[in-house]
Order: sequence, then structure tokens, then C-alpha cells
Amino acid sequence: AQSVTQLDSQVPVFEEAPVELRCNYSSSVSVYLFWYVQYPNQGLQLLLKYLSGSTLVKGINGFEAEFNKSQTSFHLRKPSVHISDTAEYFCASYSSASKIIFGSGTRLSIRP
Amino acid sequence: EPEVTQTPSHQVTQMGQEVILRCVPISNHLYFYWYRQILGQKVEFLVSFYNNEISEKSEIFDDQFSVERPDGSNFTLKIRSTKLEDSAMYFCASSGPLYEQYFGPGTRLTVT
Repeated sequence: AQSVTQLDSQVPVFEEAPVELRCNYSSSVSVYLFWYVQYPNQGLQLLLKYLSGSTLVKGINGFEAEFNKSQTSFHLRKPSVHISDTAEYFCASYSSASKIIFGSGTRLSIRP
Repeated sequence: EPEVTQTPSHQVTQMGQEVILRCVPISNHLYFYWYRQILGQKVEFLVSFYNNEISEKSEIFDDQFSVERPDGSNFTLKIRSTKLEDSAMYFCASSGPLYEQYFGPGTRLTVT
């Protein structure tokens, strides 16, 4: 069965420092991968997606992710974080044409 | 920019009561979904809906749950007899043909 694993439940970083949120997937079929962000008390917003093509995908708010097939990873990165990036980040994958499977989430907390 | 809307934002109900959560998907989308997120846990798939019928459902989506598209714009989730463990944030999503699901802001259901 397809699955998505987020290795870190919490990641604390200082403001303006770089950050990487890790995600690994397992799939035996075509892979479509996503990162969603959930700000406190809000819904889910799509940060970026990988469907095909270039393995480096850029998203909103300065985030980017790299699809690595050999390592079955899709890590999210940002070179310099801001206080406003404080949120929960979910890696997700299309399991079939009908549903997305989410990872357990990584809470990013930014220290001034 | 078009968006998915959900009403109400917060619903409090007593155990055993029926609730209907409402969603208005993006107008030209054809695929509709419900997910839920129990407090502090990951987002879980409940059901997908296409062409006026359920495409896929999870083991969570038992006989107490039903979905309906009563008209050309609304998409509803009904829970017939709520249990305490149904307390969660419920997200509606819709998508066109490009595998990108757009999520609504969610309805927080509290069962007392």
C-alpha cells in the first residue's frame, strides 16, 4: 500500500535560518507528490506539487522541493525562514485517482 | 481566485444527533472529497465522489456517513448518529483533471 512518512514531528529553527522538512514515500505506481501547509486554525493550502518533469519544483512563499526517485524522497526546503512560516506542513501523495494520502505532519516553529 | 467554501465553520452537536456539513466546491471541478483531521493527528481520507457516485471510500466511512450533491453547487457530508469520536475538523476538497485538490477552510465538529 502507498504511504507517506514524515520523519520529524517538530522542527524548531531560528528566523532567517534555512530549513529542510523531510518526506519519504512508497509507491509502486506513478508518483504525484504534494506539500500542503496548515497555518494555525486554518485549512490546507497547497505549497507545491510534483507531477512530472523537472525534479526541482518551486512553490509559494519561497519554498521548493526536490523529487528523488532513487531515495524515494520529496524533501521541502527554504533557504531563509520567517516568523510567518510557523505552521504545520504535510507531505502528501496521490494514492489513486480518487484520494490523497497525507503524512503525519511536521510542525515548524520559528524562533526570533 | 475561486475557492472551496464550507459551512458552518463550527458545529456543536449532541451524541446521537444527525449533522450535515456543507461544501461549495470550485464551480468547474468534477471531483469532490471529504477528509477529516482529529485534533493533533494527520488528515485522513473519507470519501471521493465523481459523476454523482462514490468513487472510493475509506474504512472510516461506514454506514453512518453519506454524501450527496443535491444540486449543481453543493456537496454535503451527513453523519446520521454522531459519536464522540466523530469530533474532528472536516475538510472538503475539489479537483479538476490535474490531480491538484483544493481544500476548503474546514468545519470543526464537536460532539458532546
